Amino acid sequence: KQEVTQIPAALSVPEGENLVLNCSFTDSAIYNLQWFRQDPGKGLTSLLLIQSSQREQTSGRLNASLDKSSGRSTLYIAASQPGDSATYLCAVESNDYKLSFGAGTTVTVRA
Amino acid sequence: GAVVSQHPSRVICKSGTSVKIECRSLDFQATTMFWYRQFPKQSLMLMATSNEGSKATYEQGVEKDKFLINHASLTLSTLTVTSAHPEDSSFYICSARTGRPEAFFGQGTRLTVV
Repeated sequence: KQEVTQIPAALSVPEGENLVLNCSFTDSAIYNLQWFRQDPGKGLTSLLLIQSSQREQTSGRLNASLDKSSGRSTLYIAASQPGDSATYLCAVESNDYKLSFGAGTTVTVRA
Repeated sequence: GAVVSQHPSRVICKSGTSVKIECRSLDFQATTMFWYRQFPKQSLMLMATSNEGSKATYEQGVEKDKFLINHASLTLSTLTVTSAHPEDSSFYICSARTGRPEAFFGQGTRLTVV
């Protein structure tokens, strides 16, 4: 069974600092890995998707890397802003289309 | 991007009653829909997978008679929580997809059973 762990569980940084969020998974036989953002009481917004054959994906200030063999992914958010405050979830997809989620990292960016 | 609409966003119901949650894909046809449950500060737990026109596949430990899922069309799936009890209070989220690669999620439904 796939286990997904996100470290740290919570993170508080001053505005402008870069953020580094970590995700690890136990079974490297994944189809892809997706990072989501979740605001309190809301659904999920897809941020980045990395196919298993890819090493990284970038979108604006966001960059996500994937090391499938070691079961790790890292989400980097450059020059953080208060609007980046949210919970960030990592999810890995198995070959059966099912997503396994981590518990998330709750980020607070202080103005 | 693809839009998934989930309704209602919040619902409060009395213990023993049933509640229906709708999940619609607005601008694409979803061959598969997923229902998740999320407890505070925990990850999303997959409850069941539904394919249009066929019975849902439930994850281990999920009571199929309590959580009824219907996927009647390529754009609509419903989750009915039957005879709800306070322990069913949770955040329920649906996901819809058509093939790969991305999964798109609804806004979630906060269910409170009193």
